[in-house]
Amino acid sequence: EPEVTQTPSHQVTQMGQEVILRCVPISNHLYFYWYRQILGQKVEFLVSFYNNEISEKSEIFDDQFSVERPDGSNFTLKIRSTKLEDSAMYFCASSDIGGPSGGETQYFGPGTRLLVL
Amino acid sequence: AQTVTQSQPEMSVQEAETVTLSCTYDTSENNYYLFWYKQPPSRQMILVIRQEAYKQQNATENRFSVNFQKAAKSFSLKISDSQLGDTAMYFCAFMKYGNKLVFGAGTILRVKS
Repeated sequence: EPEVTQTPSHQVTQMGQEVILRCVPISNHLYFYWYRQILGQKVEFLVSFYNNEISEKSEIFDDQFSVERPDGSNFTLKIRSTKLEDSAMYFCASSDIGGPSGGETQYFGPGTRLLVL
Repeated sequence: AQTVTQSQPEMSVQEAETVTLSCTYDTSENNYYLFWYKQPPSRQMILVIRQEAYKQQNATENRFSVNFQKAAKSFSLKISDSQLGDTAMYFCAFMKYGNKLVFGAGTILRVKS
């Protein structure tokens, strides 16, 4: 069964450093998302991406964040200068709106646990 | 803006029994989807069940079923014959067509043997 994959599973970084989180969405999906979950809190939307551009972003997704689809398979989230409060689990998700899978369902990757020291 | 409320922070149930998790939401949209996701200790987000708002019939997936009350904006999850592997955090989520998921705060479910 196709699945969303994410690398790395864990990342530890120093405050102020840049990190890139990588995701490989399900191959025939067209819509991509990043969410984050601070430990013990709810899952929060960061950004959605379609047709090589951001379709929506939350107020969390400030200038420190960027997303890119550098090739036909990867979807990345870059945090330019990490802060302590960026420590969280970051989830990538993809969906195939209107597709044979039933559409409109977002399938999540296993997450990347980011710790900023 | 849409909001999702899960009023039960924690629930527990004996193995083989039935438990119902509550969820209410607020929206002015007419067309949308509702979901329940399960998050076990591994923190993976696993889709449990999905309901399209235009469908009156409640969705069912094996031991999992929902009670969708559109007028009341209520979307509860019933787990029958609870198993130890059902122990997890359960999130209710709302999605307008082609849009982001909006999650509730979650309910921790503990299944006891």
